[in-house]
Amino acid sequence: SQQGEEDPQALSIQEGENATMNCSYKTSINNLQWYRQNSGRGLVHLILIRSNEREKHSGRLRVTLDTSKKSSSLLITASRAADTASYFCATMDTGRRALTFGSGTRLQVQP
Amino acid sequence: GAGVSQSPRYKVAKRGQDVALRCDPISGHVSLFWYQQALGQGPEFLTYFQNEAQLDKSGLPSDRFFAERPEGSVSTLKIQRTQQEDSAVYLCASSPRNYEGQYFGPGTRLTVT
Repeated sequence: SQQGEEDPQALSIQEGENATMNCSYKTSINNLQWYRQNSGRGLVHLILIRSNEREKHSGRLRVTLDTSKKSSSLLITASRAADTASYFCATMDTGRRALTFGSGTRLQVQP
Repeated sequence: GAGVSQSPRYKVAKRGQDVALRCDPISGHVSLFWYQQALGQGPEFLTYFQNEAQLDKSGLPSDRFFAERPEGSVSTLKIQRTQQEDSAVYLCASSPRNYEGQYFGPGTRLTVT
């Protein structure tokens, strides 16, 4: 079963704007990861944040994690048309190696 | 330097047929994972190998699903007596020792008619 919810389910923005996606989960986690999936393709790992971290940056990506609220957000700054994809959060539960994915946010960046 | 590869990329099976899906992980990666992704959903975990040992098969939906990795490299996911609800994309992922991110293959789209 899916770990939790992501919102929004779909997001449409103009190139250059920022995009924010949120993820909630239910269990005790070791880390939380974000992946991107282009239509009909495999997933690409974007960024990993550990349970003892609160914020992490990678290029135009910023991830936050609030373990007390069991939630995370992914911010993509200065979006580009090439950022159009589905974005999934995935949690690695304590003591496991498997990932539990959310339902995803479909991002459309209009040129 | 290739990534994770999967074959076939597309498979159409008649209900009741057996299918075998292959995954070639990145060379040297000790961990291998199988996921099932239904249309419009996130992937769902099926099973996990560390080298040739199947350490977690809690996600396999029924005893019709069987996975193996006999030499700790290539893995095969077998589905016996396929049902329509087995229609999905089957994703394979691998990761090296001491790395928690996963490298995904392109998937095999299985359609059961």
